[in-house]
Amino acid sequence: DIVLTQSPALAVSLGQRATISCRASQSVSTSSYNLMHWYQQKPGQQPKLLIYDASNLASSIPARFSGSGSGTDFTLTINPVQADDIATYYCQQSRELPLTFGSGTKLEIK
Amino acid sequence: EVQLVESGGGLVQPGRSLKLSCAASGFTFSDYAMAWVRQAPKKGLEWVATIIYDGSSTYYRDSVKGRFTISRDNAKSTLYLQMDSLRSEDTATYYCARHDDQFGAPFDYWGQGVMVTVSS
Repeated sequence: DIVLTQSPALAVSLGQRATISCRASQSVSTSSYNLMHWYQQKPGQQPKLLIYDASNLASSIPARFSGSGSGTDFTLTINPVQADDIATYYCQQSRELPLTFGSGTKLEIK
Repeated sequence: EVQLVESGGGLVQPGRSLKLSCAASGFTFSDYAMAWVRQAPKKGLEWVATIIYDGSSTYYRDSVKGRFTISRDNAKSTLYLQMDSLRSEDTATYYCARHDDQFGAPFDYWGQGVMVTVSS
């Protein structure tokens, strides 16, 4: 299985930049796509797709969110962080079965 | 508006069965692969199973193979998960999710989830 490693938590100040990383145990990229996606989950709610294929913004997601990376290293950036962004963020790969998620990074306000 | 509404959860004893349903609306259900993703209490997300648009292929994580069956009724726009031989480790909130296009695409819409508790 492809293991995705995320830091458990990140504390940032409102208005600052948050950088959330996800490292895969093997490449999740093909010659055409970087098959890494990012989700936001607020307490008591279902996950929401933020970024697909590493860097594409999902529908209705504000431009404060962006993604980058290829191969095994990927980053979700939120800039500037707003109070409404407090949530847990998960990466997910679709390069191979089983589809796997990272353990999540909880974004906290400093 | 895309909507996915799960039902069928509850408390069940180990070894027993339960069947979840997910009623879809707001899109052409038969055009999309669909999946179940679960989340144990206070834990992360775990993909369970996927079925392609016409139901001809299904995929499962190893821990549920032979016990869970994903199926769909495109005429009713409904996704199902038959769960047999349930174990305590199957306790989780189960989400119905749509793949954005076909299998391998990300999950672009999720239901609100349904709780399954396996306990004696």
